[in-house]
Amino acid sequence: EVQLVESGGGLVQPGRSLRLSCAASGFTFDDYAMHWVRQVPGKGLEWVSGISWNGNSIGYADSVKGRFTISRDNAKNSLSLQMNSLRAEDMALYYCAKAERDAFALWGQGTMVTVSS
Amino acid sequence: QSALTQPRSVSGSPGQSVTISCTGSGSDIGGHNYVSWYQQHPGQAPKLLIYDVNMRPSGVPDRFSGSKSGNTASLTISGLRAEDEADYCCCSYSGSYTWVFGGGTKLTVL
Repeated sequence: EVQLVESGGGLVQPGRSLRLSCAASGFTFDDYAMHWVRQVPGKGLEWVSGISWNGNSIGYADSVKGRFTISRDNAKNSLSLQMNSLRAEDMALYYCAKAERDAFALWGQGTMVTVSS
Repeated sequence: QSALTQPRSVSGSPGQSVTISCTGSGSDIGGHNYVSWYQQHPGQAPKLLIYDVNMRPSGVPDRFSGSKSGNTASLTISGLRAEDEADYCCCSYSGSYTWVFGGGTKLTVL
């Protein structure tokens, strides 16, 4: 079955770190760029970061640049997002998404990040 | 990286057509033909409806169509059905390996 499964979310204090993971299955992982997209419950989608199939191209939203780091392990069919210096405004449901033709063709169910003291 | 602008809500009766607009700038919508649209029902992950401005993935009904003029993209849903009631969000590539989403539009089927 083609799917993406996120993990690693939880409750974290402001200023602390958290690492999200996304396990891919059912497709050739290293053929595709991958992205993280977040959504505050009840609000719209916000693109967070993306990485090309080989890791040579990486991008970040201005809101997370310098604090978040995206990476991938093609041998393990895994995508990660290291989130440092977390802020209240980072609290959201984080989706992992597989890219096809510069669109987000497959989404996971998301992992919730709560930033609170 | 300013969010694309969408109307907060639109509505239509079953069988009618509705169009949702998505306005950006020359750096995103106007500068690239990489506009995509997503449908999201409550409690579910988004689903890709349109990519590359006007292309439909397999399985998406041809009632859904996309277009672009200048810095504005549009999604048209014809023959509205009750199950089309959902949130719709546009997205555009905005250069330097970055993307930007719209704020989302809630479609109500009357």
